[in-house]
Amino acid sequence: QKEVEQNSGPLSVPEGAIASLNCTYSDRGSQSFFWYRQYSGKSPELIMFIYSNGDKEDGRFTAQLNKASQYVSLLIRDSQPSDSATYLCAVRNDMRFGAGTRLTVKP
Amino acid sequence: DAGVTQSPTHLIKTRGQHVTLRCSPISGHKSVSWYQQVLGQGPQFIFQYYEKEERGRGNFPDRFSARQFPNYSSELNVNALLLGDSALYLCASSPGDLPGEQYFGPGTRLTVT
Repeated sequence: QKEVEQNSGPLSVPEGAIASLNCTYSDRGSQSFFWYRQYSGKSPELIMFIYSNGDKEDGRFTAQLNKASQYVSLLIRDSQPSDSATYLCAVRNDMRFGAGTRLTVKP
Repeated sequence: DAGVTQSPTHLIKTRGQHVTLRCSPISGHKSVSWYQQVLGQGPQFIFQYYEKEERGRGNFPDRFSARQFPNYSSELNVNALLLGDSALYLCASSPGDLPGEQYFGPGTRLTVT
């Protein structure tokens, strides 16, 4: 059974801090990884995708991929209350999503 | 540019009935995927269509079917509805046949009573 695992949280960080969200996957053949943000009652919104080992930065967001250890993470720098949402990790091969991590950023 | 659109927004059906959900992708996108999301879980993949052909199917019963039209819009059909089919149904489009970089529509909230 191919799995994508995320800590359900909630993860709470103060405003301005770095939020670190982690995701592990079981299918070693997975090639592409995606992070989505989902506000309560809304549909998922694509934040970042990463295909290669290492870091990929986009504004306040950094995705990190380690295929040998089978994990992908998302760092959010200078967290804002507007970042409070559920963050979903997805693996392309069979478009399997994790259950999501709920992030709360406290002012 | 308009994003992915879905209709209807909300729907209430009775057990045993049939439902059809509709999706229009972003202009220029040829791939449409359907997902089911229940509260507290991530989206579960149902189908992917590209150029009117089924490219992927998730672990859902045969009561679920879909199709894609020449204008790349899509329908998801569910027969013999069960209470457990109550969920948010999401449609996502992507430009190519690989579904990863997907953009989701607002979803259809289906309630089965």
